[in-house]
Amino acid sequence: NAGVTQTPKFRVLKTGQSMTLLCAQDMNHEYMYWYRQDPGMGLRLIHYSVGEGTTAKGEVPDGYNVSRLKKQNFLLGLESAAPSQTSVYFCASTAPGLAGDSYEQYFGPGTRLTVT
Amino acid sequence: AQSVTQPDIHITVSEGASLELRCNYSYGATPYLFWYVQSPGQGLQLLLKYFSGDTLVQGIKGFEAEFKRSQSSFNLRKPSVHWSDAAEYFCASMEYGNKLVFGAGTILRVKS
Repeated sequence: NAGVTQTPKFRVLKTGQSMTLLCAQDMNHEYMYWYRQDPGMGLRLIHYSVGEGTTAKGEVPDGYNVSRLKKQNFLLGLESAAPSQTSVYFCASTAPGLAGDSYEQYFGPGTRLTVT
Repeated sequence: AQSVTQPDIHITVSEGASLELRCNYSYGATPYLFWYVQSPGQGLQLLLKYFSGDTLVQGIKGFEAEFKRSQSSFNLRKPSVHWSDAAEYFCASMEYGNKLVFGAGTILRVKS
């Protein structure tokens, strides 16, 4: 049981390039989230999904797109990277409503992205 | 919208000393509250959570937190800090839709 995994771990992009971050979870969780972490700002929600085929905007969605084609995967895309998107990106998942569930979100190890 | 405030950006304590990390939330009803810990270069790990009931909750690694509605606070405590507790700590509340709102974090340094 790997939990939540993220690919890649590190990436350097030039301004204007595009990329996709992959999040995978093997816990059969319905809900998945993408956060970005910046110094002094905690984690901020970018987009989230409450089930396969659904996505919704979070607090800071501009410049990002997401897709949830399979229940276990949640992709975060940057179509045209900007230096302001230099950050550490975390994926998380949870399964609210299951018996004994604590609403805990399980986090991946993060992806460190630098945009030059 | 909900907000979570962690007033202390950095805290330094001596090993073996007690610890209290502050957290204040803004929410009219009883919130769902969490404390997470992040070691350098790692993801976040849940320490403890509060939903309802007993206002003093116990977590992993010897941590506890007390929910005080009158003060809108959910402070994290540990009676004796170990060097391995050095990390960044995040308080969070849950919004509708199971979305977490995080505080800015408190970096804990432990002096030997």
